[in-house]
Amino acid sequence: DARVTQTPRHKVTEMGQEVTMRCQPILGHNTVFWYRQTMMQGLELLAYFRNRAPLDDSGMPKDRFSAEMPDATLATLKIQPSEPRDSAVYFCASGFLVAGTGRENNEKLFFGSGTQLSVL
Amino acid sequence: GENVEQHPSTLSVQEGDSAVIKCTYSDSASNYFPWYKQELGKRPQLIIDIRSNVGEKKDQRIAVTLNKTAKHFSLHITETQPEDSAVYFCAASVAGNQFYFGTGTSLTVIP
Repeated sequence: DARVTQTPRHKVTEMGQEVTMRCQPILGHNTVFWYRQTMMQGLELLAYFRNRAPLDDSGMPKDRFSAEMPDATLATLKIQPSEPRDSAVYFCASGFLVAGTGRENNEKLFFGSGTQLSVL
Repeated sequence: GENVEQHPSTLSVQEGDSAVIKCTYSDSASNYFPWYKQELGKRPQLIIDIRSNVGEKKDQRIAVTLNKTAKHFSLHITETQPEDSAVYFCAASVAGNQFYFGTGTSLTVIP
């Protein structure tokens, strides 16, 4: 049963420290999303990649957040410096998505277990 | 961009009753509508989805209906059980592009 793998599951850090979250998408998936979940905002899209290329990172605070896909098996989300308001659960999700084709069964999105981040 | 609204934000039902969660979307180009269930502390998991060329889809106790003209879709859970208690999210997507999520419905099934 293939799964999206995220590490770490939990991270507690102090304000100002750098935080790096990692995601291994399901093998063969070409699209990776990063979401942030809070009680107030629900699931917010931060960034997403297709075939490792960034397609949209407009939801991400550019001054402190960065997202990359160094290779097809790894996506990273980095916060530097971290702030208490960054405390949230960060989810990675992957799918095999081919835009514009309307093909069946190519749009299912699978989530990782999330990283619970607490910035003190 | 797309705007997905979801109602109600909380829902309590007695075990055995039905639950209905409704979502509306704004972009007529959206053509894929998944529903996710998220249990406390867990990842959102896909439970059912529907494409715009279909009006209804059913899988055991859950069903989804889609009204393209009115731009709304609904999740129906029949014969609810305590293990159905969770947060449910709807989403809308345009042909494999961004997924826009609703704000979630916290469902509580009272034994």
